[in-house]
Amino acid sequence: GENVEQHPSTLSVQEGDSAVIKCTYSDSASNYFPWYKQELGKRPQLIIDIRSNVGEKKDQRIAVTLNKTAKHFSLHITETQPEDSAVYFCAATNTGNQFYFGTGTSLTVIP
Amino acid sequence: KAGVTQTPRYLIKTRGQQVTLSCSPISGHRSVSWYQQTPGQGLQFLFEYFSETQRNKGNFPGRFSGRQFSNSRSEMNVSTLELGDSALYLCASRSVLGELFFGEGSRLTVL
Repeated sequence: GENVEQHPSTLSVQEGDSAVIKCTYSDSASNYFPWYKQELGKRPQLIIDIRSNVGEKKDQRIAVTLNKTAKHFSLHITETQPEDSAVYFCAATNTGNQFYFGTGTSLTVIP
Repeated sequence: KAGVTQTPRYLIKTRGQQVTLSCSPISGHRSVSWYQQTPGQGLQFLFEYFSETQRNKGNFPGRFSGRQFSNSRSEMNVSTLELGDSALYLCASRSVLGELFFGEGSRLTVL
């Protein structure tokens, strides 16, 4: 089956700096790669996703890049704000298959 | 459109008891997945149902079971509860585009 690895497990940045979280996957059949943000005590929320036919996608301060050859994808958050502090999960899947989640990255933005 | 609804939100049980959790997916979503989340742990996949059939299954013991009804609502049951079953149980429904949306979760405490 698929194996998703996520790094780093914890990340602290100064407010205004950028944050980058990286995930690798093993199954070349995976074609959909979402990112979730989970604030303390709340449900994971889909913040951005990318499909295998696209190399990069942006939505305001967040972006995701995908390298299919190397089987890795990354979440980039620019101009970080305290409200970006949360746990972020990456995932990989393909049609009809289960989602395989990374182990999460706890991001702390220091004001 | 209403989101994924889970009931109950909180419950306390004692060892040896059983529990049933309920999930109503987003209208039109036919796939429902269940995840277990414990402090410091990621999202552990339990199972996924699609059109009343179990489509994917994680590595949990047989004490964990589920089902899906014709209206796509799903239930999961845990029998002979153990202390280690204390967790947040998250339900998620999957859109036709493959996006996964989570409910707020049912927080189970086993005493």
